[in-house]
Amino acid sequence: QIQLMQSGPEMRKPGASVKVSCQASGYTITTDGISWLRQAPGQGLEWMGWISTFNGGTNYALKFRDRLTVTTDTSTNTAYMELRGLTSDDTAVYYCARIYGSELPWFDHWGQGTLVTVSS
Amino acid sequence: QSVLTQPPSASGAPGQRVTISCSGSSSNIGIKFVYWYRQLPGAAPEVLIYRDDQRPSGVPDRVSGSKSGASASLAISGVRPEDEATYYCAAWDDTLSGPVFGGGTKLTV
Repeated sequence: QIQLMQSGPEMRKPGASVKVSCQASGYTITTDGISWLRQAPGQGLEWMGWISTFNGGTNYALKFRDRLTVTTDTSTNTAYMELRGLTSDDTAVYYCARIYGSELPWFDHWGQGTLVTVSS
Repeated sequence: QSVLTQPPSASGAPGQRVTISCSGSSSNIGIKFVYWYRQLPGAAPEVLIYRDDQRPSGVPDRVSGSKSGASASLAISGVRPEDEATYYCAAWDDTLSGPVFGGGTKLTV
């Protein structure tokens, strides 16, 4: 069955960067897009961006456009999310999610989430 | 401040029918499909409804979605204790050129 396995929790200081991985199994990531979302403690879901694993095209939410990079490594069937210039407001659980048929916002499979804590 | 507006909480006794609303605008729900997600405590969200009113396989038919104009609703009939979760609506927004979510509705049974 389809699974998305994310990397473990991370702690960073303000100003640092973090890179979270999302390894897919049960399907090839080139067939559908991958999106990244986050959820701050006690808050709702926030879409960050996505990558078309078909052609590598990306689209980022305006608020993340200057510090977010989403990439894929097709040789390992893995997607990556790198967020730079971290502040305490970036403390959140970060999720990767498969986009069904590249139709946003239809996320049919999700990773388990990665907690990123930003603190001095 | 979420782009889509949901009530923060909803409740119902076991067996009752509960409805959760989601209000948007002409740049999102009014012209695009609505999706509903359920998130159990400590877990990742899962899709309950896609394209306004379609259920993925495995979602029981006591769960239904509907839309009228720029508003959508999720209804759960015969609610059970295991339905206790937070429910989110989502839609594409043409103005923002990306998906937007409601703030979530915590259902208590």
